[in-house]
Amino acid sequence: SYVLTQPPSVSVAPGQTARITCGGNNIGSKSVHWYQQKPGQAPGVVVYDDSDRPSGIPERFSGSNSGNTATLSISRVEAGDEADYYCQVWDGSSDHPVVFGGGTKLTVL
Amino acid sequence: EEQLVESGGGLVQPGGSLRLSCAVSGFAFSTFSMNWVRQAPGKGLEWLSYISSSRSVIYYADSVKGRFTISRDNAESSLYLQMNSLRDEDTAVYYCAILIGSRLHWGHGTLVTVSS
Repeated sequence: SYVLTQPPSVSVAPGQTARITCGGNNIGSKSVHWYQQKPGQAPGVVVYDDSDRPSGIPERFSGSNSGNTATLSISRVEAGDEADYYCQVWDGSSDHPVVFGGGTKLTVL
Repeated sequence: EEQLVESGGGLVQPGGSLRLSCAVSGFAFSTFSMNWVRQAPGKGLEWLSYISSSRSVIYYADSVKGRFTISRDNAESSLYLQMNSLRDEDTAVYYCAILIGSRLHWGHGTLVTVSS
């Protein structure tokens, strides 16, 4: 089945840009979705279909996807962005179609 | 308002059974595929099961295949997960999630604790 690989942790100072990667074989051919999860809360989408933002998500959150790597970028990082971030794709050719990355803990220094 | 509300979690002994429910509102439930996803304490997200809108396609993760059964009632806009032969490692928050395109919209989760 398809595998997504994320770094376990990323640290960034306030005001800087955080970049969280999600690696997968030819992931550029798939739509990638990114979820933010804060302690005690359910995940919520921050970027979907590689680079679209739901209403209410700040423009500071952006996404890209090409080749074997998708990236979630968070510019002008704030303390409130500290959370776990998960990437997800749909692998329609598989009987395990919903695939998550292992998650990345974003720490704001 | 679009809402998914899970219920049915609780404390159960190893080997026991539990049935989770997910009530969906604000969506045309019968037109969407649904999923169950869980998260063990301190761990990442684990997809468990998928059911198509018409119930014609069902998939399970290897970790629960043969023990868990997904079902849905489109007339009641409800999703279910029958969990049998529960193990300690099934302890987790269980989320139902509606598939919109290829992304997920989540409920708030229900905690299942398997312990003697």
